Amino acid sequence: QVQLVESGGGVVQPGRSVRLSCLASGFTFSDYVMYWVRQAPGKGLEWVAVIWFDGNKKYYADSVKGRFTISRDNSKNTLYLQMDSLRAEDTAVYYCARDLHDCSSNNCYLRDYYYTMEVWGQGTTVSVSS
Amino acid sequence: DIVMTQSPLSLPVTPGEPASISCRSSQSLLHSNGYNYLNWYLQKSGQSPHLLIYLGSNRASGVPDRFSGSGSGTDFTLQISRVEAEDVGVYYCMQALQPPLTFGGGTEVEIK
Repeated sequence: QVQLVESGGGVVQPGRSVRLSCLASGFTFSDYVMYWVRQAPGKGLEWVAVIWFDGNKKYYADSVKGRFTISRDNSKNTLYLQMDSLRAEDTAVYYCARDLHDCSSNNCYLRDYYYTMEVWGQGTTVSVSS
Repeated sequence: DIVMTQSPLSLPVTPGEPASISCRSSQSLLHSNGYNYLNWYLQKSGQSPHLLIYLGSNRASGVPDRFSGSGSGTDFTLQISRVEAEDVGVYYCMQALQPPLTFGGGTEVEIK
């Protein structure tokens, strides 16, 4: 079945770096746009980043731009989030999510593309604390 | 950035009764193709979010037909025709039009 499994979370000191991974299975990973979404303790959902199926387009939330990098390795069915210069406010559960569209049968570069997280992982927790 | 505002913050409901949640966007989510770029998600306690509605009114796979989405432009509503105990959790709307993608603050649905 379709599954996303995040890993790499833990406790990290402010200013340090950590890399999250999301291993996908049960679908053709290289055909889907992928996301990172986070949720601070007791708070709502915050979109972090999105990467196109082929890696050619990436967008970031202003709160992480210049510090976080989203990437993917389609040969390993894995999505990554490199998180540098971490701050206390980055403390959150980080979810990876798969888009609704199969880009092998939909033109995901069309102007009418809409962003929809359909499948979510269970999340991995990052705590930034000294 | 598009700001998403939900109301109410909390919604006590009686099983078997209807319920509705409002979501407002700071700019129109109506695309030139006629579709509203608005999604609804539900996050149950201790779980990951899951997709309920996309493009304003399309139910995601496996979502019961007691859930429906309506609205256009900047004003949207999620309706539950007859609430069941399993529907408790936090509901979020999200604009699907353009990055930065933004969520509403959430509406917590609880049983009275």
